[in-house]
Amino acid sequence: GAGVSQSPRYKVAKRGQDVALRCDPISGHVSLFWYQQALGQGPEFLTYFQNEAQLDKSGLPSDRFFAERPEGSVSTLKIQRTQQEDSAVYLCASSLKGDREVFDEKLFFGSGTQLSVL
Amino acid sequence: KNEVEQSPQNLTAQEGEFITINCSYSVGISALHWLQQHPGGGIVSLFMLSSGKKKHGRLIATINIQEKHSSLHITASHPRDSAVYICAVSPYNNNDMRFGAGTRLTVKP
Repeated sequence: GAGVSQSPRYKVAKRGQDVALRCDPISGHVSLFWYQQALGQGPEFLTYFQNEAQLDKSGLPSDRFFAERPEGSVSTLKIQRTQQEDSAVYLCASSLKGDREVFDEKLFFGSGTQLSVL
Repeated sequence: KNEVEQSPQNLTAQEGEFITINCSYSVGISALHWLQQHPGGGIVSLFMLSSGKKKHGRLIATINIQEKHSSLHITASHPRDSAVYICAVSPYNNNDMRFGAGTRLTVKP
């Protein structure tokens, strides 16, 4: 597709359930970011990939959160043993370039996955 | 204190009014982004700027690096401009972007 695609669009999970959120970046985009956006707040950084390498995971809130991008394209954000505080919109964004140049590059965002943990 | 502060939090305007949204930040940055988020979560990047001023249609973004301040202006506002506008910065020494909490704009016909 032409843009960043995320799936599912909505996910309802029972507390303790594992979930997997998928991001398809724009083809050829080197950099991929995951963000968490709580209701009424701006997005907060979770992790950053340059191709298949996870260069920064400092924003992941706990070891229950795990992200991968094994072939440098599609990325999956996995949350194990979900808790109610994990309820948020999870946004994925991609950018064409890698290295420091990416931080001056336009980001393209997906529509997000809204996760509700009951 | 949040590193990126936006004001106002909420803004209601009449169609045709000139609108200004402000963003102040406290870290050294390589770039500042203005984003538009519509209900349903989709985010669109409006501007990326590191100095001066950029214009696209009815939207104008300015930045003053010395004062660590940026403004987003909308001329001749229209109800379809109703959205949340988010300021985000790319710090020099971090991989992540820092986001403001957003300004919810409602333009009434």
